[in-house]
Amino acid sequence: GAGVSQTPSNKVTEKGKYVELRCDPISGHTALYWYRQSLGQGPEFLIYFQGTGAADDSGLPNDRFFAVRPEGSVSTLKIQRTERGDSAMYLCASSLRAGGITGELFFGEGSRLTVL
Amino acid sequence: AQSVTQPDIHITVSEGASLELRCNYSYGATPYLFWYVQSPGQGLQLLLKYFSGDTLVQGIKGFEAEFKRSQSSFNLRKPSVHWSDAAEYFCASSGGYNKLIFGAGTRLAVHP
Repeated sequence: GAGVSQTPSNKVTEKGKYVELRCDPISGHTALYWYRQSLGQGPEFLIYFQGTGAADDSGLPNDRFFAVRPEGSVSTLKIQRTERGDSAMYLCASSLRAGGITGELFFGEGSRLTVL
Repeated sequence: AQSVTQPDIHITVSEGASLELRCNYSYGATPYLFWYVQSPGQGLQLLLKYFSGDTLVQGIKGFEAEFKRSQSSFNLRKPSVHWSDAAEYFCASSGGYNKLIFGAGTRLAVHP
């Protein structure tokens, strides 16, 4: 595709519900990143995929958060038992290079999650 | 731990005026440094990056940044700001092999 695509662009849910956020990276990009951006803050690293595997998930805040990338392309960020504190913009980025921040990360427009 | 600090939360300049956005990093070795811009309804876009070599780097949209090791700084500059430059600007450094560590951002407003 032309760029990184994220769906939905907006998601409103109730506390305790389950949420899935989808990221479709640029075709051919092997590296995929998830970031979370709270209001007034910079993006905060969550997880990094190289191909199908999660190479670094040290940024996931707790075990309610999980992400998959089963075929090495589309990724889904899953949040269980959502809490009001999970409300944020969730950003996805992809990169052509196979590891290492030496190339440009291409970001999607984000999925804004609001937990009521 | 590695960190990036952007001291200015909000800056307002007049169109045509010069601009400097400050960024300080904390890292033992020379980091990889980046500036990204985020406009409403758009994803983060890379303006420029520094890895090594010439400490003055040129980017897109007429932006430049200078790496100063002695000051642990990587300030972004533009000689003449346009109204379309109004956006939020993020400085970032590589937090190791796989991560970018972002600052909190500086929101730029441009007065006509």
